[in-house]
Amino acid sequence: QVHVVQSGSELKQPGASVRVSCKTSGYTFTDYYVHWVRQAPGQGPEWVGRVSPNSGGTNYAQKFQGRVTMTADTSTRTAYMELTGLTPDDTAVYYCGRPDCATSNCWTIEHWGQGSLVTVSS
Amino acid sequence: QSVLTQPPSLSGAPGQRITISCSGSSSNIGAGNHVSWYQQLPGTAPKLIMFGYNRRSPGVPDRFSGSWSGTSASLAITGLQAEDEADYYCQTHDNRLGGTIFGEGTKVTVL
Repeated sequence: QVHVVQSGSELKQPGASVRVSCKTSGYTFTDYYVHWVRQAPGQGPEWVGRVSPNSGGTNYAQKFQGRVTMTADTSTRTAYMELTGLTPDDTAVYYCGRPDCATSNCWTIEHWGQGSLVTVSS
Repeated sequence: QSVLTQPPSLSGAPGQRITISCSGSSSNIGAGNHVSWYQQLPGTAPKLIMFGYNRRSPGVPDRFSGSWSGTSASLAITGLQAEDEADYYCQTHDNRLGGTIFGEGTKVTVL
């Protein structure tokens, strides 16, 4: 059974960076991308990007280019997302998830983590 | 602002049928990209309920069905039940943006 468990809540000051982790189990980690999606309070989900644990390759939404870095550690089956230059607009629940299929054209997120609340405030 | 447009809210009495629309463009739904639908209860992660060509996730009742035509997709819920009260989001890949996009969301209320 697939499990996705994320790190806990974070409170950050404006200008700081945050790193969220996403530990997986129950499937072959290197077969599937890991996606990151965020959801600001009262808003719909917003795709941040994805990482391939097999190759390390990444795709980021244009909005986050230059501020986000996604990595994956195959030894611990854990993916990471780091976001720099935080502003209050980055306050959101950040989710990681595994898609429903194992090719580069799989965009449906079937298995979701529980979410990590990142609050940016001075 | 999302490129997938959904009605902000819909409501219906128990047993009724409602349809949630998701309007896109030629670079996403109109390009033949699959549309997925998620249900989200307060304080929880989105839950995948429909994906591919009208495929339901395991455990999702057949009261839920999806359809697609041109640049729009729809999620229908028949025999509305109190447990269906939630936020619903459509999602698809956008060829121009190069990633995946979500709709603005529809809050379904069971009267």
